Amino acid sequence: SQQGEEDPQALSIQEGENATMNCSYKTSINNLQWYRQNSGRGLVHLILIRSNEREKHSGRLRVTLDTSKKSSSLLITASRAADTASYFCATDLNTGFQKLVFGTGTRLLVSP
Amino acid sequence: ETGVTQSPTHLIKTRGQQVTLRCSSQSGHNTVSWYQQALGQGPQFIFQYYREEENGRGNFPPRFSGLQFPNYSSELNVNALELDDSALYLCASSPGRSNTGELFFGEGSRLTVL
Repeated sequence: SQQGEEDPQALSIQEGENATMNCSYKTSINNLQWYRQNSGRGLVHLILIRSNEREKHSGRLRVTLDTSKKSSSLLITASRAADTASYFCATDLNTGFQKLVFGTGTRLLVSP
Repeated sequence: ETGVTQSPTHLIKTRGQQVTLRCSSQSGHNTVSWYQQALGQGPQFIFQYYREEENGRGNFPPRFSGLQFPNYSSELNVNALELDDSALYLCASSPGRSNTGELFFGEGSRLTVL
């Protein structure tokens, strides 16, 4: 079963605009990770935020985590056409082994 | 440093057949996980192998089985294929059983069951 729900399911913006994607999850976590997937290919890790962190930055990416609301958001600033992809949040549960539980994904389209 | 490689990239099978998918882990990684991604969905955890033993399993029936070899490469076997097994199968490696960092994914094997 999917742990997380992401919204929006799809997002269409112009180059230069910011894109915000949200993720909600259900149970307590070790960390939350965001991955990117181009056209049904492999997943590429973007950023990881641990359960005791509230905000993290990496280049044009900013991720926030609110464990009280069991939610996270990913902000991509100054988007580019090359950012067009599907974005997934994944929660790492404290199960004794690493099992990522992925959300349903947000499809981002950035138009030139 | 060699990344995660999977083979084959695409394959077509018919219902009831068996399939074997292969994965070579990233150099230095001893743990391999397999995920199934149905069209339009997020990946779902199948199982994880650490030092040639199954270390954890998701909600998949026993006809999904795996192996890990001494060089840490891995196979996913699916018996008695069903139409719903059509999906992208992703392999991911990590540097340890209790890794709490990122997973490194291969490009996937796309299975179509007719």
